Amino acid sequence: DIQMTQSPSTLSASLGDRVTITCRASQSISSWLAWYQQKPGKAPKLLIYKASSLESGVPSRFSGSGSGTEFTLTISSLQPDDFATYYCQHYNSYPYTFGQGTKLEIK
Amino acid sequence: EVPLLESGGSLVQPGGSLRLSCAASGFTFSTYAVSWVRQAPGKGLEWVSTISNSGGSTYYAASVQGRFTISRDNSKNTLYLQMDSLRAEDTAVYYCAKSIRSGGGYLDYWGQGTLVSVSS
Repeated sequence: DIQMTQSPSTLSASLGDRVTITCRASQSISSWLAWYQQKPGKAPKLLIYKASSLESGVPSRFSGSGSGTEFTLTISSLQPDDFATYYCQHYNSYPYTFGQGTKLEIK
Repeated sequence: EVPLLESGGSLVQPGGSLRLSCAASGFTFSTYAVSWVRQAPGKGLEWVSTISNSGGSTYYAASVQGRFTISRDNSKNTLYLQMDSLRAEDTAVYYCAKSIRSGGGYLDYWGQGTLVSVSS
């Protein structure tokens, strides 16, 4: 099974900051990676698919990059609505697995 | 919006059974794979199972293989998860989610979840 490892687990940042979250796969997954945002008590929301494609309606300050085993999610200028937990998920082959999550907190 | 509405969550004793349902609307249900993803209290997301659009292919996480059964009724636009031999570690919010392809892929729409608690 492919394992997904995110770093950091927690990230403290300020409004307007540029932040980057990393997701590593235990083997190559090409570009079959998605990023989701989840707020407390809510369902996850798709942000990025195929490593770098922005889902419709998602602000352009979100971007994704990478291929193979290393991927990043970048938020160019943090807004109040961005403080949440972020998860990566591969869909290269079953079983699909999620990273453990990165909680983005206000500094 | 693509409403997905889960139901069936409740408190059940260890070793018991429960069936979750997910009613879909707003899209052609029979075209897409659908999945169950769970989240234990205070923990991260865990993919549980996926069923292809026709129901002909099913996939499970090792943690539920042999205990959970995913199924769908395309005539009723409904997804199911039959959960048997439940354990305390199955306690979680269970989300249903729509995939972008007939066989799987990333999850573009999610329901709001239903809570399953396994405790004596």
